[in-house]
Amino acid sequence: DVKVTQSSRYLVKRTGEKVFLECVQDMDHENMFWYRQDPGLGLRLIYFSYDVKMKEKGDIPEGYSVSREKKERFSLILESASTNQTSMYLCASSSSPRDEQFFGPGTRLTVL
Amino acid sequence: SQQGEEDPQALSIQEGENATMNCSYKTSINNLQWYRQNSGRGLVHLILIRSNEREKHSGRLRVTLDTSKKSSSLLITASRAADTASYFCATEPRRDTDKLIFGTGTRLQVFP
Repeated sequence: DVKVTQSSRYLVKRTGEKVFLECVQDMDHENMFWYRQDPGLGLRLIYFSYDVKMKEKGDIPEGYSVSREKKERFSLILESASTNQTSMYLCASSSSPRDEQFFGPGTRLTVL
Repeated sequence: SQQGEEDPQALSIQEGENATMNCSYKTSINNLQWYRQNSGRGLVHLILIRSNEREKHSGRLRVTLDTSKKSSSLLITASRAADTASYFCATEPRRDTDKLIFGTGTRLQVFP
């Protein structure tokens, strides 16, 4: 079974802190994605990656950056966390952008 | 930008009843997928229907796609309490095949 893991289920940070959210998949997928999920807004794509060291902006990249040094790992970075980045963050991977995506359990981030 | 919008936003039914959720989208698509999310967890892929397909079944799930109306429906037959979850449609736009665009979801509550 495909497994996508995220480093934390719950995270509390302070405004201005640098935050790292880690995602690892074990199915050798080329494609990885970071979404945030907010009530009434559904899932919104932050960044995605097709390959190692490659990244593409999604719909809401402002305030975020990403890193993909290894194929199995895709990190989301909040350079200076703000309260409006309090959200559920979901990582996903897929073998092809057109195919089903496999999601991690999510990280609920609270920025105080 | 949101492509898919689900209707209704929330649905409550008794066990054994059928549940129907609808998804409308704005632009031409290559495929449409349905996902399920249990409270506070990641999404799980349910079914994918391609633009040249009109209907697809998987167990108690039946999905239809009407590309002329830019809409899809998900029918869950003989619902169970364990079907309680949020359901999301996701579209792969024809002109932007890099990613999926998720709707805002339907929250289904099945009472025993």
